[in-house]
Amino acid sequence: GENVEQHPSTLSVQEGDSAVIKCTYSDSASNYFPWYKQELGKRPQLIIDIRSNVGEKKDQRIAVTLNKTAKHFSLHITETQPEDSAVYFCAAREDTGNQFYFGTGTSLTVIP
Amino acid sequence: DAGITQSPRHKVTETGTPVTLRCHQTENHRYMYWYRQDPGHGLRLIHYSYGVKDTDKGEVSDGYSVSRSKTEDFLLTLESATSSQTSVYFCATGTGLRSGANVLTFGAGSRLTVL
Repeated sequence: GENVEQHPSTLSVQEGDSAVIKCTYSDSASNYFPWYKQELGKRPQLIIDIRSNVGEKKDQRIAVTLNKTAKHFSLHITETQPEDSAVYFCAAREDTGNQFYFGTGTSLTVIP
Repeated sequence: DAGITQSPRHKVTETGTPVTLRCHQTENHRYMYWYRQDPGHGLRLIHYSYGVKDTDKGEVSDGYSVSRSKTEDFLLTLESATSSQTSVYFCATGTGLRSGANVLTFGAGSRLTVL
């Protein structure tokens, strides 16, 4: 099955700085890569996603890049704000079984 | 999200007892998933379903069984609960469109403590 690795496990940034979270995947058949944000005590919620036929996608302050050759994808958050503090999960979906495999999460803290 | 309801939201039980968690959706989504969330492990897939009575194992299925007799309901059963199954369990649904927007939507979670 798919194996998704995520780094770093914790990240602290000053408000206004950028944050970058990186993930790698193992299965070249994976074709869809979502990112989820989970606030303390809440459910994970989709914030952005990218498909294998696209190299980059942006939505206001967040962007995701995908390098299919290297099998890695990254989440970029610019101009961070305290409300960006949360745990972020990357995931990869295998095309064959429609299974989603998640990374182990990154706890982001934005220091005011 | 109002379309996915998990019950119970909290449960404390003893080792060796059976436990059933229920996930109910009103979205008419084809796919349903059960994940467990543990510190340092992220979200790990237990079982998933791709239609009524169609289920398959995930990466951590030992000690768990599932059933889906209706599109809207997906049950997760711990046949004989162990302390290692203490976790937060999330149900999720997906439309199942491989080329389309198969967005995974999560329920609020069920916190299970096995003493």
